[in-house]
Amino acid sequence: AQTVTQSQPEMSVQEAETVTLSCTYDTSESNYYLFWYKQPPSRQMILVIRQEAYKQQNATENRFSVNFQKAAKSFSLKISDSQLGDTAMYFCAFMKHALQLGNKIIFGKGTRLHILP
Amino acid sequence: DAGVIQSPRHEVTEMGQEVTLRCKPISGHNSLFWYRQTMMRGLELLIYFNNNVPIDDSGMPEDRFSAKMPNASFSTLKIQPSEPRDSAVYFCASSRRHTNSPLHFGNGTRLTVT
Repeated sequence: AQTVTQSQPEMSVQEAETVTLSCTYDTSESNYYLFWYKQPPSRQMILVIRQEAYKQQNATENRFSVNFQKAAKSFSLKISDSQLGDTAMYFCAFMKHALQLGNKIIFGKGTRLHILP
Repeated sequence: DAGVIQSPRHEVTEMGQEVTLRCKPISGHNSLFWYRQTMMRGLELLIYFNNNVPIDDSGMPEDRFSAKMPNASFSTLKIQPSEPRDSAVYFCASSRRHTNSPLHFGNGTRLTVT
């Protein structure tokens, strides 16, 4: 069974700083997808970024980028020039390739990120 | 597109009562998921459906929990009888299977059982 581990329950950084959130996962699959979701105080779950395991290039979305290390099964999220609106809970998630039966998404327990003014 | 719609947004009930949570997935999405979020356990997958058929219900905690998807545009999660430890936020999410698309979440139902 797949597992996703986020080792940092809570983090705080000053506005405009860069912060990295850690995520490791365990799987025997070779083809899969990884995601970072953001959950602000509004409770809404928002997709931040996604990575396909067969792509070596790290995904980027504006100020958000990932460091995907497939051999190490590591998938960290870097937030550059952090903003107050980045304050949220961040979840790392794993999904097997959709063509396999059962493309369920497994989430880590989350990292609560506080951006301080 | 209206997104995934869940109702009610908040539910407060007494122990022993039946609770029904409702979900309307995004039109055209053929996979639907129910998650439960608590401080202690994070986001737990309870059950998911592909093309209205339950595929994996191994996350359903007890027989008190049941879920149905009678058609492509509606699903329910029922707890009967409810207990205080069922208090949590319940999320419904949908996606297009076979396209590797991410989940689209509803805004969740916060359930409080007293």
